[in-house]
Amino acid sequence: DTGVSQNPRHKITKRGQNVTFRCDPISEHNRLYWYRQTLGQGPEFLTYFQNEAQLEKSRLLSDRFSAERPKGSFSTLEIQRTEQGDSAMYLCASGRAFSDTQYFGPGTRLTVL
Amino acid sequence: RKEVEQDPGPFNVPEGATVAFNCTYSNSASQSFFWYRQDCRKEPKLLMSVYSSGNEDGRFTAQLNRASQYISLLIRDSKLSDSATYLCVCSGNTPLVFGKGTRLSVIA
Repeated sequence: DTGVSQNPRHKITKRGQNVTFRCDPISEHNRLYWYRQTLGQGPEFLTYFQNEAQLEKSRLLSDRFSAERPKGSFSTLEIQRTEQGDSAMYLCASGRAFSDTQYFGPGTRLTVL
Repeated sequence: RKEVEQDPGPFNVPEGATVAFNCTYSNSASQSFFWYRQDCRKEPKLLMSVYSSGNEDGRFTAQLNRASQYISLLIRDSKLSDSATYLCVCSGNTPLVFGKGTRLSVIA
């Protein structure tokens, strides 16, 4: 499968714990995006990278959230000191520069107890 | 006011019916427009891009009215497999801005 992949697919954690998610984009795509989706809402933008550079961060991305894409390939999204309000589906998408078309991975569903 | 607004539905239609969804956007600088489809507990998948000239893909027709900041999706001859949530999406720069989605249920 050459699409966007995300791991883990599901994560259940206790409040206050740290979690890390991984996204592997489509190999020839240099842009990688993170979105969050809660029930009944559309996905909301968190941050994006072009190659290894983080170019934009949403105000939704509090200081407990950090994202990296160290080699311009896969990316990680870490949430520190999780809160119940962090429970959501975290979606990764990839695309090419100068194109608005984005392809989504299957998401990581986070449940914070 | 939300940047992209859609009627959440649900729209319950019989097989074979024609159904239309509408969407309005507030950012006049939006440059690209899409419809994504999302099945329950799955990721959004690109259904089609939307152009000012209108575009058609099989049973699906999308229209964009920049003056009214309005986007539409028409589905003809609905199939059971069309049951999903349809997300209206705009892009002003790079991040996509999604509406909440319109839920469609096609009933046998």
